[in-house]
Amino acid sequence: SAVISQKPSRDICQRGTSLTIQCQVDSQVTMMFWYRQQPGQSLTLIATANQGSEATYESGFVIDKFPISRPNLTFSTLTVSNMSPEDSSIYLCSLFLGTGDGTQYFGPGTRLLVL
Amino acid sequence: QKEVEQDPGPLSVPEGAIVSLNCTYSNSAFQYFMWYRQYSRKGPELLMYTYSSGNKEDGRFTAQVDKSSKYISLFIRDSQPSDSATYLCAMKETSGSRLTFGEGTQLTVNP
Repeated sequence: SAVISQKPSRDICQRGTSLTIQCQVDSQVTMMFWYRQQPGQSLTLIATANQGSEATYESGFVIDKFPISRPNLTFSTLTVSNMSPEDSSIYLCSLFLGTGDGTQYFGPGTRLLVL
Repeated sequence: QKEVEQDPGPLSVPEGAIVSLNCTYSNSAFQYFMWYRQYSRKGPELLMYTYSSGNKEDGRFTAQVDKSSKYISLFIRDSQPSDSATYLCAMKETSGSRLTFGEGTQLTVNP
């Protein structure tokens, strides 16, 4: 496994502002993922972030709203832009260690409340 | 129709009970099956994974996969209050890294 940290752990933001969430891993990984978990719901994949290439976004998510950076093999950021109350959610980064079973390991999450 | 359906719960059991958590799926290409445990205000934690059909046991936990019925289960024996959490099933095809999650079942084990 790997140790994954996220900053901030939680935040309260005003509508129309942007928040950048950081994800730091203690080992080098090629594939990182960003998920959203809305209250009482399961995890929805936002995008896959591979180092050295543009992030790949899932249906319903666009780069202008959720820009992602992946500057090296241990770090990634997700920005939630022009926020609205509907963006209130838990945002989680995860990583894939490349094992055949495809298991992913998750960070502790960032709890975002947009007023 | 969702690719993965999970018994929504919530589920409340007394300490020591046997707990059964279940998911069904429609995509026959799923080959890897995982269970994650998520405590309140924490990220999901990988609990168990299995490949294709069969059973896998780890302490008080048993994961079961029946591919013919497209049905997976997680059994918890001698449940403890510390098992109180939301349990998420997740599945993956052979190729790629994309996981598909169930909605989660919230479990409470009462002392």
